[in-house]
Amino acid sequence: QKEVEQDPGPLSVPEGAIVSLNCTYSNSAFQYFMWYRQYSRKGPELLMYTYSSGNKEDGRFTAQVDKSSKYISLFIRDSQPSDSATYLCAMRETGGFKTIFGAGTRLFVKA
Amino acid sequence: DSGVTQTPKHLITATGQRVTLRCSPRSGDLSVYWYQQSLDQGLQFLIQYYNGEERAKGNILERFSAQQFPDLHSELNLSSLELGDSALYFCASSVGQGRTNEQFFGPGTRLTVL
Repeated sequence: QKEVEQDPGPLSVPEGAIVSLNCTYSNSAFQYFMWYRQYSRKGPELLMYTYSSGNKEDGRFTAQVDKSSKYISLFIRDSQPSDSATYLCAMRETGGFKTIFGAGTRLFVKA
Repeated sequence: DSGVTQTPKHLITATGQRVTLRCSPRSGDLSVYWYQQSLDQGLQFLIQYYNGEERAKGNILERFSAQQFPDLHSELNLSSLELGDSALYFCASSVGQGRTNEQFFGPGTRLTVL
């Protein structure tokens, strides 16, 4: 079993929809949770990070962490065609050096 | 533009060969990370250097090696190449090490082994 599981999709939604992207994990020592966005032929860029449990909001993006369920989510409100990309979740233990990435979910937002 | 540069952008070589990928971190960043991204394996952490010293190792094959030089640029050496080594190789850098240090990724080197 992989440490981090993420549905690769693809996920196709109409413009303006609310998108929900999710990851599950097995390592209870993970404390730092991140979401990266990767456009085609580009390197990943950090969108959001959260420490431990809770919610974090930044514009149209909301990250949620539920440590009791070992489940994290990224919500995108009012999705735009420019949001079409691959979204990777990533996690790290406190004091850890290795970041473990999910497989990434490909998102297509149709105009 | 993240400020991390990688060369070359594309590399095509044959099985059994050896190649070197180069990464220059953002100005002021001391940590360099190498990742391999393939379609079936996703983004896999290979190795991390901090200020010239190896800090963490991931799923890096013995045929692969890396180093970070005094000017903080890093090189990833891949030898005895196999078809399965074809992938995107990303370098990332951060100011420090561990914790929440944001990693900034370069544009990647696409390696094709024929």
